[in-house]
This record gives sequence, C-alpha cells and structure tokens, in this order.
Amino acid sequence: DQQVKQNSPSLSVQEGRISILNCDYTNSMFDYFLWYKKYPAEGPTFLISISSIKDKNEDGRFTVFLNKSAKHLSLHIVPSQPGDSAVYFCAALFPNTGNQFYFGTGTSLTVIP
Amino acid sequence: DAGVTQSPTHLIKTRGQHVTLRCSPISGHKSVSWYQQVLGQGPQFIFQYYEKEERGRGNFPDRFSARQFPNYSSELNVNALLLGDSALYLCASSLEGGLAFDEQFFGPGTRLTVL
Repeated sequence: DQQVKQNSPSLSVQEGRISILNCDYTNSMFDYFLWYKKYPAEGPTFLISISSIKDKNEDGRFTVFLNKSAKHLSLHIVPSQPGDSAVYFCAALFPNTGNQFYFGTGTSLTVIP
Repeated sequence: DAGVTQSPTHLIKTRGQHVTLRCSPISGHKSVSWYQQVLGQGPQFIFQYYEKEERGRGNFPDRFSARQFPNYSSELNVNALLLGDSALYLCASSLEGGLAFDEQFFGPGTRLTVL
C-alpha cells in the first residue's frame, strides 16, 4: 500500500530551465514532508522540507509547495543545473513518529547541458 | 568528519541463510534507522533505534531484527533469507531519536543479493 507516490519515474530538463517534480500522498494525517536527492552509489541526502502548516518553503534554487486539499506537493528547481541530475524522493511523516519516513518511488531527473 | 558508514558494501547470500549488516553513525549521533530499498522502489522503513532501545518498527516480518550497541553503532539481522530480501539496505543516523523530526544522514547502503 503505497501512501506516497511519485508518478513520473523520469524527467528531462534543459539546463537553466525549471524542473518540477511532483508527489502525491493518500493519508491526510501526514504532517511533515521532505525531499531527498540521491546520486548513484551514495545514500539519499536531505534537500528541503515543509510542515503541513505551511504551503511553501524556499531554500536558494529549491522551493517546495504543499497543497493539502489536493494531497500534493511539488519541488521546483530554478534554474536547473547539470549537477542536479539525480533521483529525487519525496517523503512524509506522521506526527510524533520521529524519523519513520514514508518514501515515494523516486523521480530520476536529468538536466541536459 | 566521517559520515555514516555501512559494511559490507555488497553481499551475496543464498535462500535460507542469515545475514548481518553493520552501520556506524556519525560521531555524536545517538539514533540509527534502517531502510530497505528494493529496485525501482523508494526506501521502506524497517527500524529506528535510539539509545539502544527500539523506537519504531515498520511492517516487516520477525525474520528482521536489529540492535544498537553502547557506541551507537547498529546491526541489522535477517534470518531465513528469501529472494525478495534482495535490496539495498540503507542506514541513517540522527542526533536524537525523539518523536519530532530530526534530520537524518544516510549511509551509502549495503547491496544484498539473495540467490
């Protein structure tokens, strides 16, 4: 039972353009959401997070948007750079469950120079 | 400073055998979590340990067990291996292991292949 879904397995974007990665979840009780980036042969690294009390969080080139009514979050990368090419996972947490993440299936982003 | 380290990097076992995977957290981190990532899927939570106590368990059979040592390193044990246990096993450490989110740092993983 996949509670966090990333329906696009892959995405290709030209360097300098915007990358938009999407994530849907089924359980409205999730209250914290995160994005992780993973390079081959490395573990996932934390990118950005958002609490369910917010609808937007920015960190440099990365912005996460949360639409609670649609149970949807998205990660925007502007401008995209070749070094952003990686697999991106969204993850969700229930309240008071520490670090027991529910991960999506991942989206492989390729930024074309 | 060293990040999260895991050993071995790769492992090949046959069905029915058992396996022990090891994880050393970042120095000063007291919590360790384990995740299983099957090919084409996202990581799935197995266990979280904090101060040698189990803080959370995912939906995995009793063949999976773990423990945390006084130096905060951790072992994941899997008994009676099945073909479906073939996966990348990720370990993550965080400073604390409380109920609130605490940023996790992942190791590179152990690739287990069950034949």
